[in-house]
Amino acid sequence: AQKVTQAQTEISVVEKEDVTLDCVYETRDTTYYLFWYKQPPSGELVFLIRRNSFDEQNEISGRYSWNFQKSTSSFNFTITASQVVDSAVYFCALSEEAAAGNKLTFGGGTRVLVKP
Amino acid sequence: DAGVIQSPRHEVTEMGQEVTLRCKPISGHNSLFWYRQTMMRGLELLIYFNNNVPIDDSGMPEDRFSAKMPNASFSTLKIQPSEPRDSAVYFCASRRGTALSNEKLFFGSGTQLSVL
Repeated sequence: AQKVTQAQTEISVVEKEDVTLDCVYETRDTTYYLFWYKQPPSGELVFLIRRNSFDEQNEISGRYSWNFQKSTSSFNFTITASQVVDSAVYFCALSEEAAAGNKLTFGGGTRVLVKP
Repeated sequence: DAGVIQSPRHEVTEMGQEVTLRCKPISGHNSLFWYRQTMMRGLELLIYFNNNVPIDDSGMPEDRFSAKMPNASFSTLKIQPSEPRDSAVYFCASRRGTALSNEKLFFGSGTQLSVL
């Protein structure tokens, strides 16, 4: 069973619009960690945020914000006032403490295209 | 810090040839991961090492794939013989600690492999 689902494969917005990326996860662990990574056109994967399962506080970092809802097993990511430089593929990922080596499982990614 | 270093950045080879991808993790990191990224399957974990020891290679697609980590500063992923369906971007990533799933992964820039 897929553990991390990013239902949106591609989102296209015009600059300055807000965009929200959905992430739904599955786990039986009570302790787990959620991540978001950004993959710009250059190809490298860039870490954005890490959240553990006991911390449901939402987080804001500049134009980025994250909404963690354990009740719905979701960890959504919002870019406010999007810019062309935000164009990238964004991956949500899950790490379960019980999993051997705590390996990271990625969702399928959401491609965001911000048009000027 | 230099980050995770992968070589080569691009590799073009003919079907049947042996391919060796190289990775130098960040100094002091204890865990190393090999991922493969394709359009069809997204980011897949192939194998990971803790303290140079392979922990889980269940993601390695076939016996044609093998990975080694002879020391803490070097790992290789070998494909022999290569096939066109192996064409993908191969990422190496490293992480501090072994059982600390809350630590983020640092990714290399990837190797774009094309098997003709």
